Amino acid sequence: KAGVTQTPRYLIKTRGQQVTLSCSPISGHRSVSWYQQTPGQGLQFLFEYFSETQRNKGNFPGRFSGRQFSNSRSEMNVSTLELGDSALYLCASSILAGDTGELFFGEGSRLTVL
Amino acid sequence: QKEVEQDPGPLSVPEGAIVSLNCTYSNSAFQYFMWYRQYSRKGPELLMYTYSSGNKEDGRFTAQVDKSSKYISLFIRDSQPSDSATYLCAPAGGTSYGKLTFGQGTILTVHP
Repeated sequence: KAGVTQTPRYLIKTRGQQVTLSCSPISGHRSVSWYQQTPGQGLQFLFEYFSETQRNKGNFPGRFSGRQFSNSRSEMNVSTLELGDSALYLCASSILAGDTGELFFGEGSRLTVL
Repeated sequence: QKEVEQDPGPLSVPEGAIVSLNCTYSNSAFQYFMWYRQYSRKGPELLMYTYSSGNKEDGRFTAQVDKSSKYISLFIRDSQPSDSATYLCAPAGGTSYGKLTFGQGTILTVHP
């Protein structure tokens, strides 16, 4: 069974640009969450989607947005990139709609902002 | 004060040692207590979880939760070099919908 797939794995952008990251969840998983991981702040929750609806959102500015498609695939977008957006962006999927915390993570998209 | 506190280490132990990893949390609504393991350049993977207070054992790993003191522990017996990774505690519960509040993560190195 294929795991969570994230693309691209690595990317370099400059300040002011925008970026779109993609996530394909495990087949049958309808919940997709996004996290930002940095050495200083650790793993921080961005948002979660279930059946194309955003159900939860973390404390990030409006430059961070996401969406989910009918096939459960998800994208997140960061506009007007800042140096501080350099991070590993992790997508996680879950088969359950509840809160047992059993998330399956992808390997992440490492974003570097110059 | 952070909702979940975890000593980032790093922690370096010899092979065969018993390792103790700990977290404290402040939110009384947490009911599920996860431990994730993250190898370098990989995403976190669920190692084990417990529900409410008590112990849970899985091979060389034991997870322990004390809700009265809001204290979470993970013990690794007979540690192996392959256990070298970052260990993240993540309590959950309530209507958090996909949101886990992770600890900072403890970097563990087990040297032969």
